[in-house]
Amino acid sequence: AQSVTQLGSHVSVSEGALVLLRCNYSSSVPPYLFWYVQYPNQGLQLLLKYTTGATLVKGINGFEAEFKKSETSFHLTKPSAHMSDAAEYFCAVVREGSQGNLIFGKGTKLSVKP
Amino acid sequence: DAMVIQNPRYQVTQFGKPVTLSCSQTLNHNVMYWYQQKSSQAPKLLFHYYDKDFNNEADTPDNFQSRRPNTSFCFLDIRSPGLGDAAMYLCATGDRAYQPQHFGDGTRLSIL
Repeated sequence: AQSVTQLGSHVSVSEGALVLLRCNYSSSVPPYLFWYVQYPNQGLQLLLKYTTGATLVKGINGFEAEFKKSETSFHLTKPSAHMSDAAEYFCAVVREGSQGNLIFGKGTKLSVKP
Repeated sequence: DAMVIQNPRYQVTQFGKPVTLSCSQTLNHNVMYWYQQKSSQAPKLLFHYYDKDFNNEADTPDNFQSRRPNTSFCFLDIRSPGLGDAAMYLCATGDRAYQPQHFGDGTRLSIL
């Protein structure tokens, strides 16, 4: 069955440090992948998406992700963490056989220490 | 700005008392989704509308119903809320295939 796995339910970094949030997916068809961010008591906001083409995808707020087919991964990175990056991050893949239904990972809560 | 708006942001109801949550959009998207999100969990798709076509997830309880009277509005009805239905309910929209969904800020439902 199709799935999304996010390694680490909690990640803590210092302000200014590299952010790396891991996402692995399983899909029998070329995947459409997304990263969303959720701040407390808010909805999900799109950070970036991979559909086709360039495997290194740049998003908002300085985030980027690289699609690696051989590793079935779509890890999210940011070179320098900011306090405002503290939030929950969800990786998602479009469900096979649908045109937009998403399968989400369980999320990673990012904490940023001053 | 084009938006997905959910009202109310916070809703309190009594055990077993029907409740309706609403969602409106100014994006003119043809797909609308309802998700349930419990604390520290991923959003779980309940159902979606593609235009007027209703699509229910197999594991969505019968207690949950939805209406979409027009393109802009969609409602989530919980006929007899139980304590386990306390959650954040998120509405989202989408247009073209495989494009990102746009989310509202959610309604947090509490059951007394």
